[in-house]
Amino acid sequence: GENVGLHLPTLSVQEGDNSIINCAYSNSASDYFIWYKQESGKGPQFIIDIRSNMDKRQGQRVTVLLNKTVKHLSLQIAATQPGDSAVYFCAENGDSSYKLIFGSGTRLLVRP
Amino acid sequence: DVKVTQSSRYLVKRTGEKVFLECVQDMDHENMFWYRQDPGLGLRLIYFSYDVKMKEKGDIPEGYSVSREKKERFSLILESASTNQTSMYLCASMSRTIPGANVLTFGAGSRLTVL
Repeated sequence: GENVGLHLPTLSVQEGDNSIINCAYSNSASDYFIWYKQESGKGPQFIIDIRSNMDKRQGQRVTVLLNKTVKHLSLQIAATQPGDSAVYFCAENGDSSYKLIFGSGTRLLVRP
Repeated sequence: DVKVTQSSRYLVKRTGEKVFLECVQDMDHENMFWYRQDPGLGLRLIYFSYDVKMKEKGDIPEGYSVSREKKERFSLILESASTNQTSMYLCASMSRTIPGANVLTFGAGSRLTVL
């Protein structure tokens, strides 16, 4: 949404640099995790997912890292571009087969 | 391209009015969801439906009801809108075919302002 980022932590990066967005998840039973990207005025869009039997998964310019010991998830974006400016949410499945628990989000700002 | 379509992007209603938010998906998904999104609070689940005419309460169902008469359509109803229901409402759907892989596809959102 337009004002979803008003009270969010913000990460500001220079265009071309790498970005790392962090997320602490809450439920030890979670075994599936997703990163979503939400641009202004749009709904969240799927970026990448990872299962708990993995600790790293790579996509196109994005990498997700999972540390189950400390319940931490991160999203790395290589060579950040202006089009990457958005709010990023992590989500976990908890102990449900069809519900997701969302984090509160991080806003990424890319400086030209 | 698969889609979740929310019929209204922006609505302005008065306190006490009945409000309908409509959502349609073209992916033949069994599961549909309504979330609200507020600054700093992330996405909170209001209701979800796992089949036609089936519904379950999410985390914040108070003040809302839903209707799922057809597989592709899931409606959120505010029986008597209040100012604290001013928010962004997001509809989503999910296939049941991949157990444990809860990938939600979202609509663009409906921003509701209650005066």
